[in-house]
Amino acid sequence: ETGVTQTPRHLVMGMTNKKSLKCEQHLGHNAMYWYKQSAKKPLELMFVYNFKEQTENNSVPSRFSPECPNSSHLFLHLHTLQPEDSALYLCASSQAGTSGSVDTQYFGPGTRLTVL
Amino acid sequence: GENVEQHPSTLSVQEGDSAVIKCTYSDSASNYFPWYKQELGKRPQLIIDIRSNVGEKKDQRIAVTLNKTAKHFSLHITETQPEDSAVYFCAASQVSGTSYGKLTFGQGTILTVHP
Repeated sequence: ETGVTQTPRHLVMGMTNKKSLKCEQHLGHNAMYWYKQSAKKPLELMFVYNFKEQTENNSVPSRFSPECPNSSHLFLHLHTLQPEDSALYLCASSQAGTSGSVDTQYFGPGTRLTVL
Repeated sequence: GENVEQHPSTLSVQEGDSAVIKCTYSDSASNYFPWYKQELGKRPQLIIDIRSNVGEKKDQRIAVTLNKTAKHFSLHITETQPEDSAVYFCAASQVSGTSYGKLTFGQGTILTVHP
């Protein structure tokens, strides 16, 4: 699959579990994003990595821990989550940095997370 | 920070009719306004975008208009078809030089096109 891929597509976990979400982009982009999409809420930006450096943390609880080992991969490590964290987690990537350009964000298919 | 309001939250039209979705933004520095379409169970996909140096942009049945003075922008879909049924999100960001785009999204509009 080309573009932005995410695994797993569905995840059910208990509150005491530790799991990780993975995102991979095949577009040669230099910026990657994690979003949370809950029912009846706008897409919420969680983290931004620009050239592998975290440049944005939108007041996200520490039970969510991002990792960006290189410009193509992004992880979201989860531990001791709460039921209200159940949502669709979307990864996106873009090419930022060219003067005058607009960096269209391309989304992955998302991971549907259910916390029991 | 930026705040984007989107209306209506739901929109139901008959096939062939036009649909209009409106968004307002708060930060006058925002200069890039994309629209995303998200079909049920699928990822958001960019359908059209506009930069602040342009007042209107069209792509076949889809058009976006921007009023910088009033800080609002709208999506217009003409000759709607059942496959246009989806959730539509507007967004705003300030893009410049080497910066990435921190998109602030509206709440989304559920568009239903009845055959």
